[in-house]
Amino acid sequence: GAGVSQSPRYKVAKRGQDVALRCDPISGHVSLFWYQQALGQGPEFLTYFQNEAQLDKSGLPSDRFFAERPEGSVSTLKIQRTQQEDSAVYLCASVLLVGGRSEQFFGPGTRLTVL
Amino acid sequence: AQSVAQPEDQVNVAEGNPLTVKCTYSVSGNPYLFWYVQYPNRGLQFLLKYITGDNLVKGSYGFEAEFNKSQTSFHLKKPSALVSDSALYFCAVRDDSSASKIIFGSGTRLSIRP
Repeated sequence: GAGVSQSPRYKVAKRGQDVALRCDPISGHVSLFWYQQALGQGPEFLTYFQNEAQLDKSGLPSDRFFAERPEGSVSTLKIQRTQQEDSAVYLCASVLLVGGRSEQFFGPGTRLTVL
Repeated sequence: AQSVAQPEDQVNVAEGNPLTVKCTYSVSGNPYLFWYVQYPNRGLQFLLKYITGDNLVKGSYGFEAEFNKSQTSFHLKKPSALVSDSALYFCAVRDDSSASKIIFGSGTRLSIRP
């Protein structure tokens, strides 16, 4: 398909486990974003890539969260030593152009549940 | 700092009636405003955006939004609601000083009764 894909769609982790969430953006899209959406709330910005460069990681809640996009395409969000408060839907979005005028295209999200 | 407010957690409308979902914003520069819709177990879908130009913006699925600079509002509207419009709606904003992130509102659940 031509849209943003994310895997896995659902992930259950025991507290303390490490998890890795994958995002495949739309081919050719330069910018990639990660958001965290807690239950009943709007998405909150985590981090942003332009090609392989991580230009903004101000939204990452702790040093347990790490994101990478080594070849400027697929991105992985890693959460180490998961905690119950990490339970949320993690959304990935990509944008064709750099700058503020283009809309972001979102993937279906990964629902993470930490027990 | 930029922000978005959606004052209504839920809006209930009868099918066939007009609907309005409210949004107000606060930005330091020129506002870039967006509306997204989220259906259960699906990602956010883009509805429409305001960048510049006409204050009335037309988008997907018959939705439109009116940009009002003096009231700093960007309300989402539709002349005749459908049951299938029932979903969670998010207003979002990005300004000139922030080329990356967009800020989402808390969302409004729209429920259309037959």
